[in-house]
Amino acid sequence: QKEVEQNSGPLSVPEGAIASLNCTYSDRVSQSFFWYRQYSGKSPELIMSIYSNGDKEDGRFTAQLNKASQYVSLLIRDSQPSDSATYLCAVTGGSYIPTFGRGTSLIVHP
Amino acid sequence: GAGVSQSPSNKVTEKGKDVELRCDPISGHTALYWYRQSLGQGLEFLIYFQGNSAPDKSGLPSDRFSAERTGGSVSTLTIQRTQQEDSAVYLCASSLVGTYQETQYFGPGTRLLVL
Repeated sequence: QKEVEQNSGPLSVPEGAIASLNCTYSDRVSQSFFWYRQYSGKSPELIMSIYSNGDKEDGRFTAQLNKASQYVSLLIRDSQPSDSATYLCAVTGGSYIPTFGRGTSLIVHP
Repeated sequence: GAGVSQSPSNKVTEKGKDVELRCDPISGHTALYWYRQSLGQGLEFLIYFQGNSAPDKSGLPSDRFSAERTGGSVSTLTIQRTQQEDSAVYLCASSLVGTYQETQYFGPGTRLLVL
């Protein structure tokens, strides 16, 4: 059974701070890792994808992957109230079907 | 089309009735996925299509659930004899060819309420 674990939160950070979202996965053959953002009542949208160990930066977002520790994280710098949403971690391994975590709720307060 | 579309956006039905949910993927996308998301829960995989065939139906929760895809495009998810526990948001996603590195693009979802 492939599992993707996330802290459900809510994670509350002040505006301008760094938000750190974490995800662990059980399947060692996992190859692709995705972070989706889901606003309340809306569908998920992709923020970042990462495939190799290390950091990947895109604007205020940085994804970090450590395959040895089976750990992927998302850092959001200079957090804004508009970043308040649920962040879903998704992992794809031997099959094309991604396994999603339950998501972490992020609240950025002014 | 510009994005994945789903219809209806909302559906209220009575227990025991059948419902059909429709998904129109992005033009040219051969891979199509159905998920279910209950309130406060993550995405539960239901079924995956590659073209018109469904190589993975492992997520369908019971034999009341079925899906088809015709012409490599539109897909329909049918729930027969609906139960209250079927109430959820049903999300459809598509990707270009279905490789493990691809981004999935989600539709707006169909909110199903079974009374």
